[in-house]
Amino acid sequence: GQSLEQPSEVTAVEGAIVQINCTYQTSGFYGLSWYQQHDGGAPTFLSYNALDGLEETGRFSSFLSRSDSYGYLLLQELQMKDSASYFCAVTGGFKTIFGAGTRLFVKA
Amino acid sequence: KAGVTQTPRYLIKTRGQQVTLSCSPISGHRSVSWYQQTPGQGLQFLFEYFSETQRNKGNFPGRFSGRQFSNSRSEMNVSTLELGDSALYLCASRLTASNEKLFFGSGTQLSVL
Repeated sequence: GQSLEQPSEVTAVEGAIVQINCTYQTSGFYGLSWYQQHDGGAPTFLSYNALDGLEETGRFSSFLSRSDSYGYLLLQELQMKDSASYFCAVTGGFKTIFGAGTRLFVKA
Repeated sequence: KAGVTQTPRYLIKTRGQQVTLSCSPISGHRSVSWYQQTPGQGLQFLFEYFSETQRNKGNFPGRFSGRQFSNSRSEMNVSTLELGDSALYLCASRLTASNEKLFFGSGTQLSVL
């Protein structure tokens, strides 16, 4: 089957760095995306890795290793507003599969 | 440019009824996909439409159906509602089928009593 695995919860303190991992078992998909969803809100796109390596967008970075079927989202200089759920996802063939999400708690 | 619009925002139905949810994509976006979200289950893919044709479908029973109109607006229908259908239903649009970035609406929260 096709699945993406990510930790259910991560807790970190304000100002710290946190890494959210995602491993996947899929076929026919290319690249890995990340989405953020605040409570009561809609998921919003954060990043996409089409190729192996690191992509950086401000405080957020995302990494992909297709040979290892592994990726991660790195959040630096954590802020309270980063408390949210984060989903990894793969898209291909008119289909997007999401992981179950990682709930990030940022503590003061 | 307006974002993805979903109506209604909340719905309460009883078992056995049917429901129709609506989604208007971002202007110019031709692909619309639907997802079911329940606590702890992430987003489960329902189906994706492009140019008025269903291009792919997730692992859901036939009670879940949809369609897309010529203006790219989409509707999702669930017939013979069950308690387990209570969920947040999200739709997303993207510019083309090869574009990975999804833009989500705020969703329709469906409660089945």
